[in-house]
Amino acid sequence: GNSVTQMEGPVTLSEEAFLTINCTYTATGYPSLFWYVQYPGEGLQLLLKATKADDKGSNKGFEATYRKETTSFHLEKGSVQVSDSAVYFCALRRGFQKLVFGTGTRLLVSP
Amino acid sequence: EAQVTQNPRYLITVTGKKLTVTCSQNMNHEYMSWYRQDPGLGLRQIYYSMNVEVTDKGDVPEGYKVSRKEKRNFPLILESPSPNQTSLYFCASSLTESNYGYTFGSGTRLTVV
Repeated sequence: GNSVTQMEGPVTLSEEAFLTINCTYTATGYPSLFWYVQYPGEGLQLLLKATKADDKGSNKGFEATYRKETTSFHLEKGSVQVSDSAVYFCALRRGFQKLVFGTGTRLLVSP
Repeated sequence: EAQVTQNPRYLITVTGKKLTVTCSQNMNHEYMSWYRQDPGLGLRQIYYSMNVEVTDKGDVPEGYKVSRKEKRNFPLILESPSPNQTSLYFCASSLTESNYGYTFGSGTRLTVV
C-alpha cells in the first residue's frame, strides 16, 4: 500500500541554519505530495505541495522537489527562524484515496 | 473565510457518557474525514465520507460513529467513550481530486476519565 517515511526527530537547529527534513514514499502510480506544518496547539496547515515529477513546491521560504527517481520529497529552508519551530508532516495522496501521512518531524529552533 | 470549524476545542467527559464533536466546512467540499492524533502514532484516520450519505471506515473506526446528512457537516459520535479514546481529534475536508490536500479544523482535545 501507500506509505510515507520521515526522518525521526526532533531536529534541533540554531536560528539561520539550513534545514533539511527527509521524506520518502512508496506508492503505485503518481501520487500528489504534500508538506503540512502543525504549530503548537493548532491544527495542520498545508505548507506546500507538488503534483507531478520534478515539480517544486514552495512557500514561506520552504521548498521541496518531487523526485520520482528517488521517491523523495525532502523539505528544505535556507535560513530557519525561531517561529519555524513546529511539527512537519509529509503526506501523499493518489486518486480518490485518502491522504497518507508520515509520523511527523519536530523542529526546534533556538535563538 | 474558507475554513473547517470543530467544536468544542476542549472536552473532559466521563466513561460511558455519549458525546458528539461537530465539524462544519464552508468550502462545498465533497470529502470529509476524521483523524485522531496520538504521541508516537501520528495521525490515524477514523472515518471518512466521499459525499452526502456516503461514509466508510478508516484505520481505527472502533468506538466511533459518523453521519453525513448534509454536505457541510460531519459529526463524530462517541456512543460510550472510554479512556483509550482520550486523544486530539481533527476534522478535515477536501475536494476529491488527488491534487488537493486537506483543510483541517483546529482540533478537539478530548479527555475521557
